[in-house]
Amino acid sequence: DGGITQSPKYLFRKEGQNVTLSCEQNLNHDAMYWYRQDPGQGLRLIYYSQIVNDFQKGDIAEGYSVSREKKESFPLTVTSAQKNPTAFYLCASSIDRTYGYTFGSGTRLTVV
Amino acid sequence: KQEVTQIPAALSVPEGENLVLNCSFTDSAIYNLQWFRQDPGKGLTSLLLIQSSQREQTSGRLNASLDKSSGRSTLYIAASQPGDSATYLCAVLVSGGYNKLIFGAGTRLAVHP
Repeated sequence: DGGITQSPKYLFRKEGQNVTLSCEQNLNHDAMYWYRQDPGQGLRLIYYSQIVNDFQKGDIAEGYSVSREKKESFPLTVTSAQKNPTAFYLCASSIDRTYGYTFGSGTRLTVV
Repeated sequence: KQEVTQIPAALSVPEGENLVLNCSFTDSAIYNLQWFRQDPGKGLTSLLLIQSSQREQTSGRLNASLDKSSGRSTLYIAASQPGDSATYLCAVLVSGGYNKLIFGAGTRLAVHP
């Protein structure tokens, strides 16, 4: 079945450490997105990529970095510059604006 | 700047009730509107997608309407069941250099037996 796979499901980060969240899709979608979800708030866009080797900052990109070397993969790195990284991170993809977005199952990141 | 508001923030109903969840948005220049369901600790599941030219979409016990001119959408759930308990999120797709999905904060629904 086609879909989006996010790993790991749970991730713990120590102070000053960089961590990378994986997002892989087999839907053949061109566009991919990373969102952050905090309790009681709507999802906020971190980064997006519309094609391979191209990506753009979203609304809250500071402290995060991404790469898009393959169509199927869009990993997100949470750097030590992100001061409040504890949140639920969701990856999504879309083929174009007509068909809506598909989301992965999320990664919960906690700072320890 | 587009803002999406969902009312109520939380709702608790007995099983079997028909219920309506509300979503409003400030800018009517949208491509489409999508309703999602989110179970605790899980990702988002798409329920219904309404294009800007459409008035409503139906899937089983779910019906979503869209009134773009007034900036409103409703999600109607018929004969609610305990399995419907979840958070329901509304999101609009807008254009601003790129296609951007903007979310409301959600309505947390609890259906009790």
